[in-house]
This record gives sequence, C-alpha cells and structure tokens, in this order.
Amino acid sequence: GAGVSQSPSNKVTEKGKDVELRCDPISGHTALYWYRQSLGQGLEFLIYFQGNSAPDKSGLPSDRFSAERTGGSVSTLTIQRTQQEDSAVYLCASSLGISGEQFFGPGTRLTVL
Amino acid sequence: AQSVTQLDSQVPVFEEAPVELRCNYSSSVSVYLFWYVQYPNQGLQLLLKYLSGSTLVKGINGFEAEFNKSQTSFHLRKPSVHISDTAEYFCAVSRYNFNKFYFGSGTKLNVKP
Repeated sequence: GAGVSQSPSNKVTEKGKDVELRCDPISGHTALYWYRQSLGQGLEFLIYFQGNSAPDKSGLPSDRFSAERTGGSVSTLTIQRTQQEDSAVYLCASSLGISGEQFFGPGTRLTVL
Repeated sequence: AQSVTQLDSQVPVFEEAPVELRCNYSSSVSVYLFWYVQYPNQGLQLLLKYLSGSTLVKGINGFEAEFNKSQTSFHLRKPSVHISDTAEYFCAVSRYNFNKFYFGSGTKLNVKP
C-alpha cells in the first residue's frame, strides 16, 4: 500500500534561495507533522496539522519557515532565504491522530551551499 | 516542556547477547512514550508505545520496554539480538493530544557476529 511520500528526495540550493518541500500523507490520515533532523541530532518538531484546525507552528525556528496543508492532504514546507544552518533532513509523518502512531516518509535531504 | 535523553549514542553488542537502550524523559505532566526504529536506508517505524495500562510493553521483533514513572524512564530491551537489529533507535514522548512529539537524539545499535 502507499505510504508517506516526500519530494524531492534530495535538494541542493544556494544560500539565500527559497525552497519548497512536499509531503503526500497516507490517504485518510488527519494528522501531519514536519520534523527536521540535523546531523547527529534527534528529530526536531516543526509543525503539526490536525484536520481543519489551526496548525501548531510552535516548532518553526524562524519566520523564514512556513507550511501549508491544502485540502487536508498534501503539505508543503517552504523555507525562504535559506541559510547553511538549514541543511538537514526534513521528515514528514502522518497519523490517524488518535493512536499516536506516526508513519514517516523517507525524508528530503536539504543541502544549502 | 518535555525533553528526552538517550545517553548512549552508540551501543555495540554481539549477536545473541541481551541489550538495553536507555531513555529518560523530563515532564511535569503525564506523557505517552514511544520507541521508533530506523533501519539503514529506511524511514522511521514504530517499535512500541506506552499509552496506559501495563507498564511493560511488548513491541515488534521481540523488543519490550518498561515505563517507570518514578524514575521517568522508558528503557528498551531485547534478551537476544540479531544482526538484523542493527539500526538507530529513537525514544519519543508526547502529550495526551499527540500535537507534538519530542524525540531523543537516537542510539545506534551495532550488532556484531
């Protein structure tokens, strides 16, 4: 069956450019999470969407980061004016929202030169 | 706020030996506890979770974990490991509404023949 997919798998960009990362959750999953995993670090929570509720943006590290979720399905994480410290693997996960079990995508490896 | 500590970044062990991966958390409120595993070149997947009930939780692949509220720990154990258990293991906590997860920095389990 289809799991969580993310695109692109790898993204190399220059400092100062904007990037968009996409996440396709499992169909029917109402909850969607974005995380950032820097080298040697654990997963850092970024943002959480649940159904039609306002997203929990408390983990976004700066106003250069934003995310949206259209139609309760696909989500896009946008990083404006990228910096070298933004280099990391960005993970997306979806969940039914009541079980606590998250299903993770393969991630997007972002490299900012 | 919650935080999760995995003191051991790497754990080498011989095949068929027992293993314990340590996880401690800090929280002023009740939390739910999880262990996720990331096999080489794969996404994270749920190993086991504690939501309520028995403090000894059994997961996939023969792993189990025990919730100890007084010591704020949720250590992962397996009585006899296999080469195929070589992976990175992440401990995580969440509040009751699953709106945010806090992950530890991960423990790399390296099973040697």
